[in-house]
Amino acid sequence: NAGVTQTPKFQVLKTGQSMTLQCAQDMNHNSMYWYRQDPGMGLRLIYYSASEGTTDKGEVPNGYNVSRLNKREFSLRLESAAPSQTSVYFCASWTGVYYSNQPQHFGDGTRLSIL
Amino acid sequence: ILNVEQSPQSLHVQEGDSTNFTCSFPSSNFYALHWYRWETAKSPEALFVMTLNGDEKKKGRISATLNTKEGYSYLYIKGSQPEDSATYLCAFPGANSGYALNFGKGTSLLVTP
Repeated sequence: NAGVTQTPKFQVLKTGQSMTLQCAQDMNHNSMYWYRQDPGMGLRLIYYSASEGTTDKGEVPNGYNVSRLNKREFSLRLESAAPSQTSVYFCASWTGVYYSNQPQHFGDGTRLSIL
Repeated sequence: ILNVEQSPQSLHVQEGDSTNFTCSFPSSNFYALHWYRWETAKSPEALFVMTLNGDEKKKGRISATLNTKEGYSYLYIKGSQPEDSATYLCAFPGANSGYALNFGKGTSLLVTP
């Protein structure tokens, strides 16, 4: 089972460049999330999509945009990369049923460096 | 944003020691409490999802308890092994953000032979 697949795994960008992080899940989950992990911080929510066709801002959305392309795919775009966006990015998916006792499933992460 | 606090921040134990960590979370509007194990350069791995007050869950040498009335959960590791070295994360889903997880900063465990 592939679960949650993120690409790329590593990327180095120059300040001002743009890029899109791709995420796909094969578990027929309704909800998908993008988090970032920085040293000394817990994972923080960037954007989420509670269901296909909807997206909403999380705790740290500035500098990012997202697209829920279909039920499987949820991409994160950096329009003009800044050094403050150097981080490890995780995509996650979940059933979307609030009373579910199922965990969120995470991709392997994208390690992004902005020079 | 829901505050989830974990303690201690880091822990160094010898192989064979038993250890425990604490996670505190808002006791109102409780849905569930998640525990994950995270090794650097890997994805967080789910350990437990706990939903009921008084719940106790076990996976091998790792177990967890839940007190929703006072807002805390304990994670226990019995007879720690070097392969248990990782960061242990607890997280609380928020209804106002599509049940996205609000994570604590984690407890970093190092087990040395």
